[in-house]
Amino acid sequence: QSVLTQPPSVSGAPGQRVTISCTGSSSNIGAGYDVHWYQQLPGTAPKLLIYGNSNRPSGVPDRFSGSKSGTSASLAITGLQAEDEADYYCQSYDSSLSGRVFGTGTKVTVL
Amino acid sequence: QVQLQESGPGLVKPSQTLSLTCTVSGGSISSGSYYWSWIRQPAGKGLEWIGRIYTSGSTNYNPSLKSRVTISVDTSKNQFSLKLSSVTAADTAVYYCARDVRWFGDYYFDYWGQGTLVTVSS
Repeated sequence: QSVLTQPPSVSGAPGQRVTISCTGSSSNIGAGYDVHWYQQLPGTAPKLLIYGNSNRPSGVPDRFSGSKSGTSASLAITGLQAEDEADYYCQSYDSSLSGRVFGTGTKVTVL
Repeated sequence: QVQLQESGPGLVKPSQTLSLTCTVSGGSISSGSYYWSWIRQPAGKGLEWIGRIYTSGSTNYNPSLKSRVTISVDTSKNQFSLKLSSVTAADTAVYYCARDVRWFGDYYFDYWGQGTLVTVSS
């Protein structure tokens, strides 16, 4: 059972902006541990999308952005495109569990 | 460009030991301050971190799996391996290997293997 909670699904029309929340607690995000985001296209392995709350690896479009505040983090996708249809997972470290933890995952649907 | 590739049996019988190997190419497994992790994903479900190893042999395991997991490394072959004992149907999943990159006090996964499906069934 994941300690990081995400909405099961979000959707938007092409060109719109969608956001995905990642809610944690005082033993993970609230304790100051950073949040990282991964994109998993259908049938493929996860791919690093955002690291250290808001940093994009080389090659990731600037349509993707991340932020963190308190015990939560968010991933925003602006100018939504059909190719963004995928599952998205947040990840952090939990001191109570002494290990890295993933969010429950969010499926993004482009209408 | 670093690449990771999982290999091992796709079918394991209940109560037996699951064994997988991850081969790293495009760079030495010993170079840089990286850990090497195993992560799994049951069909239609989320990701679960299993554990990781440093090339010195130092390991960290998910407490929920610690009693059944052993991760080892063979630097001469540029490989690291996973053993999960006493498997049940609940261990059926796609297993990924990944590289752990240090980020201040924590790590993130920057390179992933393509994953390999392991089914536990008699």
